[in-house]
Amino acid sequence: DAKTTQPTSMDCAEGRAANLPCNHSTISGNEYVYWYRQIHSQGPQYIIHGLKNNETNEMASLIITEDRKSSTLILPHATLRDTAVYYCIVRPGAGSYQLTFGKGTKLSVIP
Amino acid sequence: DAGITQSPRHKVTETGTPVTLRCHQTENHRYMYWYRQDPGHGLRLIHYSYGVKDTDKGEVSDGYSVSRSKTEDFLLTLESATSSQTSVYFCAISEPGSTGELFFGEGSRLTVL
Repeated sequence: DAKTTQPTSMDCAEGRAANLPCNHSTISGNEYVYWYRQIHSQGPQYIIHGLKNNETNEMASLIITEDRKSSTLILPHATLRDTAVYYCIVRPGAGSYQLTFGKGTKLSVIP
Repeated sequence: DAGITQSPRHKVTETGTPVTLRCHQTENHRYMYWYRQDPGHGLRLIHYSYGVKDTDKGEVSDGYSVSRSKTEDFLLTLESATSSQTSVYFCAISEPGSTGELFFGEGSRLTVL
């Protein structure tokens, strides 16, 4: 599986957009990019995923570069409840349902 | 929220004792997983199941066994607990053919003295 690299921590002002980067330069053609987050000691929560097109849902937007070597998760209007560890994960497509979690980015939303 | 219940949520035990953690789901999902989470290591896969009586090892399976006799239950057993198994254990479920999204339980905190 492709390895991902994320910054250890980031701060974001409340109400501003939070842009969380992820590098996955060894990603292969059939691998998806997934984002999860973990709030305090709760179980991880799915946010969004994509293959090559940009994706948006009610929680966030996912921007994947054309060469697919990096992506950015965007939380458009961060709130204090968005303070969490955010994990970027690359997963093969059909036939593999395991996720390998790295250490993620600790996002702190500041009032 | 996905119907996943982990039990017990908290347990303190002594080295050498057997421990069983239970994950129960009401979603009828085919896949179930056990992860452990430790400071500095993130989440690591212990074992997973792709159907009743079908299980396989993850990256940190030593010292753990699992069983799945029913779709809804996935048991994680520590035959003889050690202090290195002090951790927070998360169960997760997923359904093949869907988005591949995993739904996680709330975790079970195990302390081995």
